[in-house]
Amino acid sequence: GIQVEQSPPDLILQEGANSTLRCNFSDSVNNLQWFHQNPWGQLINLFYIPSGTKQNGRLSATTVATERYSLLYISSSQTTDSGVYFCAVEPWSGGSNYKLTFGKGTLLTVNP
Amino acid sequence: SAVISQKPSRDICQRGTSLTIQCQVDSQVTMMFWYRQQPGQSLTLIATANQGSEATYESGFVIDKFPISRPNLTFSTLTVSNMSPEDSSIYLCSVVTNYEQYFGPGTRLTVT
Repeated sequence: GIQVEQSPPDLILQEGANSTLRCNFSDSVNNLQWFHQNPWGQLINLFYIPSGTKQNGRLSATTVATERYSLLYISSSQTTDSGVYFCAVEPWSGGSNYKLTFGKGTLLTVNP
Repeated sequence: SAVISQKPSRDICQRGTSLTIQCQVDSQVTMMFWYRQQPGQSLTLIATANQGSEATYESGFVIDKFPISRPNLTFSTLTVSNMSPEDSSIYLCSVVTNYEQYFGPGTRLTVT
C-alpha cells in the first residue's frame, strides 16, 4: 500500500517562531488532507489540498503532487498550536473511495 | 462541514465484554468510516459503513470482532466484541462532505 512519511517526528518551538512540516507519499493520490489533533484528541480538519497552495490565517499548505510531497507552514506559532499534525492521503484508484492512509504525525510543542 | 457526535466519550470495560459506540451526524451523508487510534499511534481505518448493505472491512479487521450497523444516512454504530486490553484505543467515526473528511470527537476505550 501507499507509504506516508512525515517529518520531523517531533518539534519544539518558542512562541512566535515559524515552522515547516513535511509529508512525503509514495504514490499518486486522489486526496490529501492535513489534520491537527489537539491534546484532547479531537481531530481538526486544516486543509483539503490534493494539489496547489492554500492559506488560512497563520497556516498555509502546499502540495506538489507530481513530486509527491506536501508542506504545512505554521507562522507566528502560539501555544494553542501544540498537538499532533497528521497528513492523510487517499491513494489514486481511478475513482474516489475516500479511504485515508495516515502518516505517523509530527508532535509539535510550542512553549510560551 | 459536518457536526459529528459520538457516545460514549470514554469508557472502561472488563476483558471479554462488548461495547457499542454510536456516531450521529447532523446531516445525511453517504460515506461514513470507522477508524482506530491505538495509544501513541496514528489512525488506522477499520471499515466503511455502508447504508443498506454490509460494512466493508480493511485488512486485519473482521466483522465478528467489529460488527457495524448503518441503519440510515445520519447514524452508525461500531461494536467492539470480546474485548482484550489490546483493544484499548480511541475509536473515531468520520464522514465525507464536499470531498473533505471530518472526524467525530472519538471514544476513548480502556479495557482492563
